[in-house]
Amino acid sequence: GAVVSQHPSWVICKSGTSVKIECRSLDFQATTMFWYRQFPKQSLMLMATSNEGSKATYEQGVEKDKFLINHASLTLSTLTVTSAHPEDSSFYICSARDLRAWGDGYTFGSGTRLTVV
Amino acid sequence: DQQVKQNSPSLSVQEGRISILNCDYTNSMFDYFLWYKKYPAEGPTFLISISSIKDKNEDGRFTVFLNKSAKHLSLHIVPSQPGDSAVYFCAASLTGAGSYQLTFGKGTKLSVIP
Repeated sequence: GAVVSQHPSWVICKSGTSVKIECRSLDFQATTMFWYRQFPKQSLMLMATSNEGSKATYEQGVEKDKFLINHASLTLSTLTVTSAHPEDSSFYICSARDLRAWGDGYTFGSGTRLTVV
Repeated sequence: DQQVKQNSPSLSVQEGRISILNCDYTNSMFDYFLWYKKYPAEGPTFLISISSIKDKNEDGRFTVFLNKSAKHLSLHIVPSQPGDSAVYFCAASLTGAGSYQLTFGKGTKLSVIP
């Protein structure tokens, strides 16, 4: 089945630095990828929709200048958390949809645990 | 306003018994529903889905029921196994509108007791 690889699985960074998270679809092309954020005991909240070759679509309340999304190819989307602060510490998950499939076409990465100290 | 609600944060079930996880939604435009299983520090994995044109979909031990008039769906796991212990998320999509974004509930933590 479709596989989405997300790296790194965890990262600790200092406040004020930037962190890049990669999301790759390994065996299919994904024109659209989604980035989610999950706080402890909370739902997965959609942050933005990443579109290959165009600007990402951000959900209300998500700072696009802070969470930079780049979808330069059909198999790679990156999320960069710029000038990270402790409140950005969270679990970030990407998802891609395999257009060859339906229903179970949504595949999630394994997530990235970001801790800002 | 949360459009997809899972009102039970946790559920404990004896091994071999049935687990029933519930999900309610408020947006009547949702036309596709999915259930995901999630372990800590991992991404969700797909379990089963149902289109709004159906009221039941079955896959092995997992069955999803959809009651559109009540805007309610449920996931039944029979028989429950200790390996089923995880957080289960209900998700909904507006595919008819051309959107493939998923809206998730807050999840229900299922514990299957051996």
